[in-house]
Amino acid sequence: ETGVTQTPRHLVMGMTNKKSLKCEQHLGHNAMYWYKQSAKKPLELMFVYSLEERVENNSVPSRFSPECPNSSHLFLHLHTLQPEDSALYLCASSQGAGIAGGGPYNEQFFGPGTRLTVL
Amino acid sequence: EDQVTQSPEALRLQEGESSSLNCSYTVSGLRGLFWYRQDPGKGPEFLFTLYSAGEEKEKERLKATLTKKESFLHITAPKPEDSATYLCAVSGTYKYIFGTGTRLKVLA
Repeated sequence: ETGVTQTPRHLVMGMTNKKSLKCEQHLGHNAMYWYKQSAKKPLELMFVYSLEERVENNSVPSRFSPECPNSSHLFLHLHTLQPEDSALYLCASSQGAGIAGGGPYNEQFFGPGTRLTVL
Repeated sequence: EDQVTQSPEALRLQEGESSSLNCSYTVSGLRGLFWYRQDPGKGPEFLFTLYSAGEEKEKERLKATLTKKESFLHITAPKPEDSATYLCAVSGTYKYIFGTGTRLKVLA
C-alpha cells in the first residue's frame, strides 16, 4: 500500500447504527486529519492529530469521535448520525510542527474518501 | 474573520485557451497558501505551496503566484486532462481554511 488509504469506500447506515471509518498513512508523516466534504461547501476540518495530540474542534458534534492510536492510523467512530451528516469524509496526513508549535497545517496528502449515506 | 474566496465558481475553456483562477484570502498570521486539484470521486491532490508575496511555482502547464491578498493559478494551453476542481487553502496558527473551489472544464 502507498499513500493514504481509507476503508470503507462507501457506507450506508441508519441513524441508530454505530460504525467506524479507518484511515492509514504510509508516508511516514506525524500528523493526520479528518475532513467533511459536502456539495457546494468548502472542506470542513473536523479533527487534527499531531504527534498523537488532538486539536479540538468545538463545532463538531459529539456523535463523531476520533481515535489516533499511533501516527499511522486514524479512526472516526460514528454513532446516532443524522441525514445531514451524509457527505464524503476525507482523511489526510502531513509532516510538520506539533500542536505546541502552532500545528502542522501545511501541505496535506489525502486519501480517496469514504462516501457516507445516513438513512 | 478568516476566509478564502475562489473565483470563478466554474470555468469552461477550449483546449489551448489559457486562463487564470483566483483565490483571495484574509487570514491572520498567514503561514502558507496551498493549491490542490480534485478529480470527481477522489481526494484532493497537492499541487503547490506558496509562503510569501512575490513567490511563484510552476508545474507543467500550471503556474501559481502569490500577493499579500490573493493568489492566481495560471493555466497555459490547457488540455482536456486538466479538467478538475482546483482548491485553494490557507494556513495560519491552528487553522487550515479551504475555499469552495473552481470547477474547470477543458473542451477538446
